[in-house]
Amino acid sequence: GAGVSQSPSNKVTEKGKDVELRCDPISGHTALYWYRQRLGQGLEFLIYFQGNSAPDKSGLPSDRFSAERTGESVSTLTIQRTQQEDSAVYLCASTPQWIQETQYFGPGTRLLVL
Amino acid sequence: AQTVTQSQPEMSVQEAETVTLSCTYDTSESDYYLFWYKQPPSRQMILVIRQEAYKQQNATENRFSVNFQKAAKSFSLKISDSQLGDAAMYFCAYIKAAGNKLTFGGGTRVLVKP
Repeated sequence: GAGVSQSPSNKVTEKGKDVELRCDPISGHTALYWYRQRLGQGLEFLIYFQGNSAPDKSGLPSDRFSAERTGESVSTLTIQRTQQEDSAVYLCASTPQWIQETQYFGPGTRLLVL
Repeated sequence: AQTVTQSQPEMSVQEAETVTLSCTYDTSESDYYLFWYKQPPSRQMILVIRQEAYKQQNATENRFSVNFQKAAKSFSLKISDSQLGDAAMYFCAYIKAAGNKLTFGGGTRVLVKP
């Protein structure tokens, strides 16, 4: 079936504006993850969903960042009052319940805050 | 806290030759999983290979193989018969058993010369 999809592919915004990033996981995958990748660096964990609950939000860098998930489908990552340091690629991943530790990634959203 | 270190920022290999990427990690867990992901310019994180810590046998996937040294906490990736399409960033990642967040190294850029 289809892989993890993310939209938009690229987003340019002005400092202070809010942005929403969307992730559609692989159908049937119960767990969903958000990561941030700054230029030239590895991925940093942001938040984890099991179903529509978020047992681990430890990676969210500030209260400007929030995320929600509808059932076992779409998730939205919202960044309020964007800052230039929020510029990064935001990657989403999902995992089937039976292979809990293996995460399958989407193509990411590149966010540029001017 | 777990950490993953990739000491080689960039590696160059001639087409059809072999290249080995290094990865070390630090953990107090005994049961965990290790991964190598490939990230081409398209940004998509592609799973290359997965190793369960409880398995002594090194994982292989076609031209990709690992050398897993649990006592030394080392997990290197060997790419044999390198192809132009292997050019990408390669990330080593760790997750504890039943864990929910991957910890990534900083990445190694692989260049393939024709």
